[in-house]
Amino acid sequence: EAGVAQSPRYKIIEKRQSVAFWCNPISGHATLYWYQQILGQGPKLLIQFQNNGVVDDSQLPKDRFSAERLKGVDSTLKIQPAKLEDSAVYLCASSLRQGFEETQYFGPGTRLLVL
Amino acid sequence: AQSVSQHNHHVILSEAASLELGCNYSYGGTVNLFWYVQYPGQHLQLLLKYFSGDPLVKGIKGFEAEFIKSKFSFNLRKPSVQWSDTAEYFCAVNAGRRALTFGSGTRLQVQP
Repeated sequence: EAGVAQSPRYKIIEKRQSVAFWCNPISGHATLYWYQQILGQGPKLLIQFQNNGVVDDSQLPKDRFSAERLKGVDSTLKIQPAKLEDSAVYLCASSLRQGFEETQYFGPGTRLLVL
Repeated sequence: AQSVSQHNHHVILSEAASLELGCNYSYGGTVNLFWYVQYPGQHLQLLLKYFSGDPLVKGIKGFEAEFIKSKFSFNLRKPSVQWSDTAEYFCAVNAGRRALTFGSGTRLQVQP
């Protein structure tokens, strides 16, 4: 079974530029998450989708971050304009509910460096 | 709001030593508990998980964790570590179908 795919793997941009990340979840997984992992910290949720609807975007900095999941499959996360503090690894995860259990599987992440 | 504490930030062990990594969470309701591992250069992988039932959970590669509800803890253990266990370990919790709340991670270094 193919895992969660993300691209690009690395991105370097200057502050105030825009950047977009792409995620393809595991086939059949209805729930998709974007997490931000700053160096030395654990991942923190940015946004959670259930199919193509937003479940939780309370921690998404909406003045600069946006995300969409068209057709309930692939998702894109955009930052515009980027700030220095956005330097982090952006992780995509997907999950499928099986009975009472739901386990999240993570992609390799996109490492963003903002100069 | 949920929170997770991992008190050991960096642990150095020799091969064959026993391992215990602490994880405490703060949440008043029913939680699901996870340990993820990130080997150097690789992505986060599930090590083990607890949803309900036997509080002693066995995972991959000889790891196990014990859920102690009264202590809000879910410590990770391995009786004998190997050099290949060198990695960063993250404890995480969620409630229901919500996103995970992660601890800050513990970097384990196993010396041959």
